[in-house]
Amino acid sequence: KQEVTQIPAALSVPEGENLVLNCSFTDSAIYNLQWFRQDPGKGLTSLLLIQSSQREQTSGRLNASLDKSSGRSTLYIAASQPGDSATYLCASEAAGNKLTFGGGTRVLVKP
Amino acid sequence: DGGITQSPKYLFRKEGQNVTLSCEQNLNHDAMYWYRQDPGQGLRLIYYSQIVNDFQKGDIAEGYSVSREKKESFPLTVTSAQKNPTAFYLCASRVQGGAEAFFGQGTRLTVV
Repeated sequence: KQEVTQIPAALSVPEGENLVLNCSFTDSAIYNLQWFRQDPGKGLTSLLLIQSSQREQTSGRLNASLDKSSGRSTLYIAASQPGDSATYLCASEAAGNKLTFGGGTRVLVKP
Repeated sequence: DGGITQSPKYLFRKEGQNVTLSCEQNLNHDAMYWYRQDPGQGLRLIYYSQIVNDFQKGDIAEGYSVSREKKESFPLTVTSAQKNPTAFYLCASRVQGGAEAFFGQGTRLTVV
């Protein structure tokens, strides 16, 4: 059974610093990995989707990498802003068309 | 505007009652999902459907039921058999085949 872990559970950085969020998964036979953002009391917003054949995806200040062999994905957020404060979740898709989620990393960017 | 709509935003249930959470999408997506989120935790899959009139149990299906009579609708019923239903419920949809998943804004269910 696929297990997805996100460490640390919480992270606090000063504004302007780069953010590095980690996601690890136990079954390397994934189809893709997706990163989401969740604001308090809200649904999830998709940030980036990396297919298993890709090594990375970029969107603006966000860059996500995928290393299937080591079971890891990393989300980089450049030049963090207070508006980046949120919980970030990763999810992997394996056989069966199901997404398995990590517990999330709660990020606080201090002005 | 295309998207996923969940209603109501807040729902209160008395002990022993069944309640139904609505999820509607106009994205023409085949697959739809229901997740439960507890405070400080990730999402756990309750049920999912890949096609109309078909659905599968997820990891925590006990005490829940679903139907998929229309492509755009996937309602979730929380039955009285669910002993700890207080949680945040999220509905998602996507095109088949590993595409990007889109989520609704959630329903917060509280037992009173």
